Amino acid sequence: GAVVSQHPSWVICKSGTSVKIECRSLDFQATTMFWYRQFPKQSLMLMATSNEGSKATYEQGVEKDKFLINHASLTLSTLTVTSAHPEDSSFYICSATKGQGGRSPLHFGNGTRLTVT
Amino acid sequence: GQNIDQPTEMTATEGAIVQINCTYQTSGFNGLFWYQQHAGEAPTFLSYNVLDGLEEKGRFSSFLSRSKGYSYLLLKELQMKDSASYLCGANNLFFGTGTRLTVIP
Repeated sequence: GAVVSQHPSWVICKSGTSVKIECRSLDFQATTMFWYRQFPKQSLMLMATSNEGSKATYEQGVEKDKFLINHASLTLSTLTVTSAHPEDSSFYICSATKGQGGRSPLHFGNGTRLTVT
Repeated sequence: GQNIDQPTEMTATEGAIVQINCTYQTSGFNGLFWYQQHAGEAPTFLSYNVLDGLEEKGRFSSFLSRSKGYSYLLLKELQMKDSASYLCGANNLFFGTGTRLTVIP
């Protein structure tokens, strides 16, 4: 199988603090990982594509200085929400793929529910 | 540009067949993916089409017409546990809003 572990599954933080979310591919190497945000009853919105050893590619409208992505190894990518505000409260999901070129299924983490108070 | 459309909600009866449609517009095409997502959980992979035609996997089938920019997911012998959102994704990068399917007894 292909398992992606995401941690933490939920987090509550105060406004102005930073939160780090980890995404690990447990049994395969993932050269590419993706980060999404999902608001209630809405679809997945791709935030950024994370490539091991290089800078992440952010989608239009996503602030790279606010959502810091680090892909330090072939099995780990992290998303740090800096200076979080209540409007950042959302469900954040990562995914990884074994292959490239958009032809391989995505394997999703279980998501992180972030609540900023 | 990129655009994916699918119905927002559908209701079907246990044991029946339901078809969830998806139309897409993309620049470049590497495949059309369907995922199932239960409330509060991450999506799980259901099927993938890159060539025209029907792909069958047990109770689930998916169809693709590249010339029409159209796909559908067919669910047979519906079970209550099939109640979930079904996401259509083009190139694994752009997703529709998801179709919330409710299966009723």
